[in-house]
Amino acid sequence: DQQVKQNSPSLSVQEGRISILNCDYTNSMFDYFLWYKKYPAEGPTFLISISSIKDKNEDGRFTVFLNKSAKHLSLHIVPSQPGDSAVYFCAATWSSGNTPLVFGKGTRLSVIA
Amino acid sequence: NAGVTQTPKFQVLKTGQSMTLQCAQDMNHEYMSWYRQDPGMGLRLIHYSVGAGITDQGEVPNGYNVSRSTTEDFPLRLLSAAPSQTSVYFCASSTLRDWGETQYFGPGTRLLVL
Repeated sequence: DQQVKQNSPSLSVQEGRISILNCDYTNSMFDYFLWYKKYPAEGPTFLISISSIKDKNEDGRFTVFLNKSAKHLSLHIVPSQPGDSAVYFCAATWSSGNTPLVFGKGTRLSVIA
Repeated sequence: NAGVTQTPKFQVLKTGQSMTLQCAQDMNHEYMSWYRQDPGMGLRLIHYSVGAGITDQGEVPNGYNVSRSTTEDFPLRLLSAAPSQTSVYFCASSTLRDWGETQYFGPGTRLLVL
């Protein structure tokens, strides 16, 4: 059973517009959530994270929103740039026990110039 | 400072052959892990280690062995390769304090089992 779900395999957005990537989780023990970005032929790199004590975290063009009651988080990229074209993985863990990250299947974002 | 290095970059094996995927990090990280990435499946954890001499299984450990004799190295062994093990393998490391957030991934090893 998938604990972290990214239901959109792909997303296309025009340059300059907002990209919204969604992620749902089922395990209520998760209290720390992360987004990783992956370019072809490279390893994933950390992008942004959020703790369950917050509902929003912002870093430049990237903002992550967390809705605990809905077990849903989203990543907003504003404005989207062609260099943002990559696969984005949502991940979750619980911070109390050094538990490994659980990743979603990823969403491929294409930003069209 | 090389970060996380993986060798080889690409490997072709025949069914039944064995091999070791190498992973090394020079950041003195306690935590290391192996993931495999398959189309439509995301990143799935194979094995992980929280320090030298300590390893544990992840989501998909069958067919793989690991050991952690030093802080720096975390090799992944395939004892008898199967076509189902065709995948891209990523090694990652982090400090235990910054668990999750600062996981550094290697560039990956692409494995094809015929």
